[in-house]
Amino acid sequence: GAGVSQSPSNKVTEKGKDVELRCDPISGHTALYWYRQRLGQGLEFLIYFQGNSAPDKSGLPSDRFSAERTGESVSTLTIQRTQQEDSAVYLCASSAQNIQYFGAGTRLSVL
Amino acid sequence: AQSVSQHNHHVILSEAASLELGCNYSYGGTVNLFWYVQYPGQHLQLLLKYFSGDPLVKGIKGFEAEFIKSKFSFNLRKPSVQWSDTAEYFCAVSPWGAGNNRKLIWGLGTSLAVNP
Repeated sequence: GAGVSQSPSNKVTEKGKDVELRCDPISGHTALYWYRQRLGQGLEFLIYFQGNSAPDKSGLPSDRFSAERTGESVSTLTIQRTQQEDSAVYLCASSAQNIQYFGAGTRLSVL
Repeated sequence: AQSVSQHNHHVILSEAASLELGCNYSYGGTVNLFWYVQYPGQHLQLLLKYFSGDPLVKGIKGFEAEFIKSKFSFNLRKPSVQWSDTAEYFCAVSPWGAGNNRKLIWGLGTSLAVNP
C-alpha cells in the first residue's frame, strides 16, 4: 500500500484480556517501530525491528508486551492481561533513510 | 539520559502572527533532527528534517527550522501562521552512535491553535 496501515483503528477491551494490534509497513521499508502515546504525552518508544537483526525491545514496559515481525512485512504487537494503564494510542512507523512514516494508530481503551 | 524538551506546551495565535516553537535536546554527539506535525484527526507526518549541511532547513507549508549546534536547539518558525496550521507539533532527535539504532527521542509536543 501507499502508507503504513494499522488495524484495528479502535479497540475496546476488558481488563485482563489479551489484545493484538497489527501493522502493515510501507513496502520495502526494512525498519519498523512501535510507539505508545498516552493522552497529552509524547511518543514512548516500545520496540524496533531492522531487517533480520534481533529487535530492540528496550522500550517494552513489561513482559506483558511482545511484538513479532514476519520478515520485512507485517508486525503484530500483543499485550497480554491488559491493564487500564495500557489505554493509549499505539503507533507504528516504518522507516527509510532515517525518516519515519507513521500509521494512523490504534486507540486502545481498557475498561 | 537523552531527552528532548519542547518549551511551549500550548500556543494560541491569531492568523498572520509569527510562530516560533522551541526545541532543545541533550546529546553531545551527531544527531538527525525532525519536526513532525499531527493535524486534527490525521496521523503524524514529517514537517521538516535536518541531517547535515545548511543549518537552516525549510519544510512544507512555509515552515523552517534552524539547527544551532552550540545551543543544542532546533527551533521551528513560520513568519505568518494560518488557521490550517492548527495542529500538534513534535520535535524529535535521532542520536547517532552504537546502540542507538536510529531511535527517535520525542518531545512532549506543542499544541498550536490559530484563531481566524
